[in-house]
Amino acid sequence: DAGVIQSPRHEVTEMGQEVTLRCKPISGHDYLFWYRQTMMRGLELLIYFNNNVPIDDSGMPEDRFSAKMPNASFSTLKIQPSEPRDSAVYFCASSRTSGIGSYNEQFFGPGTRLTVL
Amino acid sequence: AQTVTQSQPEMSVQEAETVTLSCTYDTSENNYYLFWYKQPPSRQMILVIRQEAYKQQNATENRFSVNFQKAAKSFSLKISDSQLGDTAMYFCACGGATNKLIFGTGTLLAVQP
Repeated sequence: DAGVIQSPRHEVTEMGQEVTLRCKPISGHDYLFWYRQTMMRGLELLIYFNNNVPIDDSGMPEDRFSAKMPNASFSTLKIQPSEPRDSAVYFCASSRTSGIGSYNEQFFGPGTRLTVL
Repeated sequence: AQTVTQSQPEMSVQEAETVTLSCTYDTSENNYYLFWYKQPPSRQMILVIRQEAYKQQNATENRFSVNFQKAAKSFSLKISDSQLGDTAMYFCACGGATNKLIFGTGTLLAVQP
């Protein structure tokens, strides 16, 4: 089974441009998470979905960031307008509903390295 | 609320030696899970080992084992017979009923030849 797929792997854009990051979770997983990783702040949870519904977006830094999950197999994270301080690696992860015997392990995609000039 | 603390920003170990990475956590949940993830230079996040809080027996995966001290809220990772490929950033994480994970700040481990 394919793992979590993210695209693009690298993105270089200029300040003020719109950026869209994409994620395809593992089939059958009902949770999807977006993280941002920087040297200064480490690994931060931005938002997560359960059954395509946003559950907690308290980590989204500001209104320039938005995320959608139109169906169980696709999610986007959009930044508009982008700023140099948004430069980071953005990870998508997915997991299944936890229950007895389930570890709610998160499986991570390879990440998107975003550079905003 | 959950918090995870890794107090060792960097560590170094000689190849074939044993090293222990520390992690403490705090959670208000009764049923929770603990994880160690590895992030090599490729930046892929890889699960190393996991532990259910209700299990007293420490988890083991080949050369990786944990020392889970529930009362002390401690979850350390021991790597035996360290290999050059173990060089990576290691993250401790805690999760509960919501499937949300809280990660520590990471420990950068360098295995020296």
